[in-house]
Amino acid sequence: DTEVTQTPKHLVMGMTNKKSLKCEQHMGHRAMYWYKQKAKKPPELMFVYSYEKLSINESVPSRFSPECPNSSLLNLHLHALQPEDSALYLCASSPEGLAGLNEQFFGPGTRLTVL
Amino acid sequence: AQSVAQPEDQVNVAEGNPLTVKCTYSVSGNPYLFWYVQYPNRGLQFLLKYITGDNLVKGSYGFEAEFNKSQTSFHLKKPSALVSDSALYFCAVRLYTDKLIFGTGTRLQVFP
Repeated sequence: DTEVTQTPKHLVMGMTNKKSLKCEQHMGHRAMYWYKQKAKKPPELMFVYSYEKLSINESVPSRFSPECPNSSLLNLHLHALQPEDSALYLCASSPEGLAGLNEQFFGPGTRLTVL
Repeated sequence: AQSVAQPEDQVNVAEGNPLTVKCTYSVSGNPYLFWYVQYPNRGLQFLLKYITGDNLVKGSYGFEAEFNKSQTSFHLKKPSALVSDSALYFCAVRLYTDKLIFGTGTRLQVFP
């Protein structure tokens, strides 16, 4: 299995809802990432997990809460989001943890709309 | 500050012609450079990378890139463009802290 999967593909939620995004990889990768991408813009890094520990948090608001239950799974819990949080949320993984030089493998993304 | 620049928002090329998508970088220390492609409503796909060694790097789908240290550039090239190459292309630089810094992206449009 050489891909990163993300569910759901699309998510519409109200500002008072709680939802979660899920990302999975079975390539034995030890680093996993969450990115946010607005239309026609580059991805912006949100979080990095290295060996299942949070290693980078790019000053993301607390309404986004990441979780890495095991080395294959990465979740992003969403609560009290704002309409400006609507975006494509991308998950990625790479073989090594910090300072590795391998490329990142990206999932197809979850298109999130906050009403 | 470490950064990557893609000076062209869009590049238009006729099918069969060579294409170049430009990227320049500003980093302290050795640069680790990557090219990714994104098709509509999809994630990013890795094309190629420069870590060390030969300045000409060959990648997926017939793409290649030339690392030029004196000009701090890493331009993406393909000898003969296909309509299916039309997509959004991102150059990125890898920092020691496991972060990828992306350029602003260049939309490549290949016309039949």
